[in-house]
Amino acid sequence: QKEVEQNSGPLSVPEGAIASLNCTYSDRVSQSFFWYRQYSGKSPELIMSIYSNGDKEDGRFTAQLNKASQYVSLLIRDSQPSDSATYLCAILTGGGNKLTFGTGTQLKVEL
Amino acid sequence: EAQVTQNPRYLITVTGKKLTVTCSQNMNHEYMSWYRQDPGLGLRQIYYSMNVEVTDKGDVPEGYKVSRKEKRNFPLILESPSPNQTSLYFCATSGSYNSPLHFGNGTRLTVT
Repeated sequence: QKEVEQNSGPLSVPEGAIASLNCTYSDRVSQSFFWYRQYSGKSPELIMSIYSNGDKEDGRFTAQLNKASQYVSLLIRDSQPSDSATYLCAILTGGGNKLTFGTGTQLKVEL
Repeated sequence: EAQVTQNPRYLITVTGKKLTVTCSQNMNHEYMSWYRQDPGLGLRQIYYSMNVEVTDKGDVPEGYKVSRKEKRNFPLILESPSPNQTSLYFCATSGSYNSPLHFGNGTRLTVT
């Protein structure tokens, strides 16, 4: 089992809809969780970080963490074409000194 | 402006010719790391450094060397590059090991 798993997509949603991106992980002691956005040919940029169970909202983005079920998700409300990118889930593993990335989910927001 | 600067952005070289990719940060960050990104494999850590003179292997260290002689710089060295090291490389830094990473702009390396 991979340490961090994401569906590669592409996930296609119409403009204005809610995009839901999911990530599961295997290390039960993970404490820090991050979502990064990466446009083609560019470097990843941080969207959200979450450290405790529940929801964390920032503008149109909501991160959800469920440690018991070992998944973290990212909701994007009112999706815009500019949200079209690859979204990377990253989790602090290995006793807390390594950030492990999923392979990313490609999101396409269609007009 | 806070930034992580990698050079060069693009590099084409031949098998066996030693090269260095530089990484410099102006944020006084303790933690620095190198990742490579390949299609279908995602971002994989090569080496990381918790502080000056402290470095350790990541998931894919074979064929790479690093050094951390000063806080702001963390160069990646390929002593004898091979075609399987053709990849997109990112340097990333953070204030501590469990803080979000700030990425450089990337270096696209092609080894023929």
